[in-house]
Amino acid sequence: NAGVTQTPKFQVLKTGQSMTLQCAQDMNHEYMSWYRQDPGMGLRLIHYSVGAGITDQGEVPNGYNVSRSTTEDFPLRLLSAAPSQTSVYFCASRTRRNTEAFFGQGTRLTVV
Amino acid sequence: SQQGEEDPQALSIQEGENATMNCSYKTSINNLQWYRQNSGRGLVHLILIRSNEREKHSGRLRVTLDTSKKSSSLLITASRAADTASYFCATDANSGGSNYKLTFGKGTLLTVNP
Repeated sequence: NAGVTQTPKFQVLKTGQSMTLQCAQDMNHEYMSWYRQDPGMGLRLIHYSVGAGITDQGEVPNGYNVSRSTTEDFPLRLLSAAPSQTSVYFCASRTRRNTEAFFGQGTRLTVV
Repeated sequence: SQQGEEDPQALSIQEGENATMNCSYKTSINNLQWYRQNSGRGLVHLILIRSNEREKHSGRLRVTLDTSKKSSSLLITASRAADTASYFCATDANSGGSNYKLTFGKGTLLTVNP
């Protein structure tokens, strides 16, 4: 099993550009989430989904959009990149609540 | 806001010593989990303890949970250089709209010196 796969691993954007961070899982998990990790801040939840067609906001959703058209995929869209969005982004999935989460290897994004 | 807070922020020990990290949280929980992150990598699940459990073991890991104090501790015994990593606690809340969110603390950076 590949588990949770994130692409790309690294990305540099200019301010104002848009892009989509991809996340795919092959474990048939219902729950998927996006986190960002900044130095000294731990992991903060951006958006999450409890199933195809269902998404909700986390702690820091501004500037990001998500959709969940299939169980496998949960892309994160940056609409107009800002330097404050420079971070490492992690996608995670799990079968349901109260279970362990599986993480991708992260996308390191730099906005200049 | 973040649910869990780990203490200390950083811990440096010698190989063979025990390492203890603490986590405090704010609201009622269904379970508390500990994760490990090697530098630049994704998080890996270590252990989950449910709210009705007080202690759990897995290999060299021992986790305790005190729901009355809203705190947990992670003990790594006989530490090795390979245990060098950041350790995070995470909670599944027990109520309201937070039911579906797994919320993480800021982490403890453990350095085990050979």
